[in-house]
Amino acid sequence: EVQLVESGGGLVQPGGSLRLSCAASGFTFSSYEMNWVRQAPGKGLEWVSYISRSGSRISYADSVKGRFTISRDNAKNSLYLQINSVRAEDTAVYYCVRDGAHWGQGTLVTVSS
Amino acid sequence: DIQMTQSPSSLSASVGDRVTITCQASQDIGIDLNWYQQKSGKAPNLLINDASNLETGVPSRFSGRGSGTDFTFTISSLQPEDIATYYCQQYENLPYTFGQGTKLEIK
Repeated sequence: EVQLVESGGGLVQPGGSLRLSCAASGFTFSSYEMNWVRQAPGKGLEWVSYISRSGSRISYADSVKGRFTISRDNAKNSLYLQINSVRAEDTAVYYCVRDGAHWGQGTLVTVSS
Repeated sequence: DIQMTQSPSSLSASVGDRVTITCQASQDIGIDLNWYQQKSGKAPNLLINDASNLETGVPSRFSGRGSGTDFTFTISSLQPEDIATYYCQQYENLPYTFGQGTKLEIK
């Protein structure tokens, strides 16, 4: 069974940083492209970032470019999202997603002083 | 970037009604379109991929059609458990943009 388990969310002050992790199991992680998608409270879904199977191709939404960094460790079956210079508008549930069909439960990031 | 325009933003219908949601892409995306259902407090659930391909286990009352720039999602006979917000998403080009969502309510 495919499982994606996010962690690392929490309360962070504006301008601060945090690192989200996604632990993958039940499939060959290195064979799949991965994405992060977020959802602000009461709002719609926003695609955030993509990483190819090897990590050689990466893409970001304009709203996070230059502040967020996606990475993966195929040996550890893990996906990461480094979030820097956080803003209030980054407050959201962040989901780890494999090909649209498999989503984690999400981890909540709250940006507040 | 490809913009996805989804309508309506909300919809109220009765049990048994036929419900249709539309999604328009700002450029040709072929059939690279997903439809998701998201129930309150839960992660989205993929219902349809490749514009019309029903995911395994999804009831047959759900369907999708379209190609190029114009797509529709239909529930042939609305059931109480279909209350949710529905989203389209294109995956033709990065960034993989979503529609704004359609909140479906029972009348």
